[in-house]
Amino acid sequence: AQRVTQPEKLLSVFKGAPVELKCNYSYSGSPELFWYVQYSRQRLQLLLRHISRESIKGFTADLNKGETSFHLKKPFAQEEDSAMYYCALGGGSNYKLTFGKGTLLTVNP
Amino acid sequence: NAGVMQNPRHLVRRRGQEARLRCSPMKGHSHVYWYRQLPEEGLKFMVYLQKENIIDESGMPKERFSAEFPKEGPSILRIQQVVRGDSAAYFCASSPQSANTEAFFGQGTRLTVV
Repeated sequence: AQRVTQPEKLLSVFKGAPVELKCNYSYSGSPELFWYVQYSRQRLQLLLRHISRESIKGFTADLNKGETSFHLKKPFAQEEDSAMYYCALGGGSNYKLTFGKGTLLTVNP
Repeated sequence: NAGVMQNPRHLVRRRGQEARLRCSPMKGHSHVYWYRQLPEEGLKFMVYLQKENIIDESGMPKERFSAEFPKEGPSILRIQQVVRGDSAAYFCASSPQSANTEAFFGQGTRLTVV
């Protein structure tokens, strides 16, 4: 069975501090991992996917198959990064995503 | 392009009534997906539809829930005889094709059953 675990429900950091949002997954096949973000009063939107290996808004995430993790990192958090972040797993077909419960990130001034 | 539009944004129903949730995909998108988010949970896949076809309904509860995506008009998620446990946020997403494509989400419909 597919499972995504985001152990932190809430994460609070100060502006300029590094931030890491944790995501662990369970899947027997070849995983496709995504990070989605939902800013206040806005819709869920794709932040990045592991196959792209790109950096979006300063965020990066590396798939570690040995540790079954896909942690989201940013070296210097900004106040506008405050949002709900969801890690999602696509197995075999992207449309059938399994989401974690989300981490609410608050970046304090 | 206005994005994926869902309505209503909030819906209150009494136990036993029917709930109809609508989703208009982005222009040019023919693939629609419905997800449900129960309180304190992540989004869970419910159903995947293309125009006039249900492709995968493996996440739909076996009873009272149905979905359609007619040739004309929005996709509809219908819940008959609602119960308190149906209270949740229901999200719709659309994409121009199914595989390896970003799905764009609507803002969701929050259903409250009283």
